[in-house]
Amino acid sequence: DSGVTQTPKHLITATGQRVTLRCSPRSGDLSVYWYQQSLDQGLQFLIQYYNGEERAKGNILERFSAQQFPDLHSELNLSSLELGDSALYFCASSVWAGPTNYGYTFGSGTRLTVV
Amino acid sequence: GIQVEQSPPDLILQEGANSTLRCNFSDSVNNLQWFHQNPWGQLINLFYIPSGTKQNGRLSATTVATERYSLLYISSSQTTDSGVYFCAVEPMYSGGGADGLTFGKGTHLIIQP
Repeated sequence: DSGVTQTPKHLITATGQRVTLRCSPRSGDLSVYWYQQSLDQGLQFLIQYYNGEERAKGNILERFSAQQFPDLHSELNLSSLELGDSALYFCASSVWAGPTNYGYTFGSGTRLTVV
Repeated sequence: GIQVEQSPPDLILQEGANSTLRCNFSDSVNNLQWFHQNPWGQLINLFYIPSGTKQNGRLSATTVATERYSLLYISSSQTTDSGVYFCAVEPMYSGGGADGLTFGKGTHLIIQP
């Protein structure tokens, strides 16, 4: 168990709809990272939040947005969904031991299917 | 941005065989990790190895940071080793996590009984 919790595990929705994916990072971790894994683009970084503030943006579409709440959980909102948005969406959390970073650990993902 | 190339893209082996997977990267890195994605889609963290050598059971990894490559060794393969192995890096200029991980395209490993 990575300690990163994502819900729901599976989501099926129609084109044009909006969905919200949820992530709870490892206990005590202030950072949350969102990644998308699609067949044509592979695994790519979308966005990072740190202690409620957006810190870095990757290849995130304007139709997508995210936020991190005071309890540190994060939500990724995907709107005006298209067939091409079908993908596995991962949330990741940093692994720290004191001042030393030991990389990232990933949640089990949300598989989104747009029909 | 930083480029990550993995080879081979596909590998089919018999149970009990050994294998070496390679990851080349184009710039200096703060972080390099190897992940195994199992058939259920879960990304399992195998090694955090920006430099040096580590071993965990039948798996070991070596990163030669000065030459910008990393190797993942799998010995005595089992069918449960099947899946996709990803190398992911974080460039040194990012200041520690600001740009996220850049993933290679992966090596798809199939272990046949």
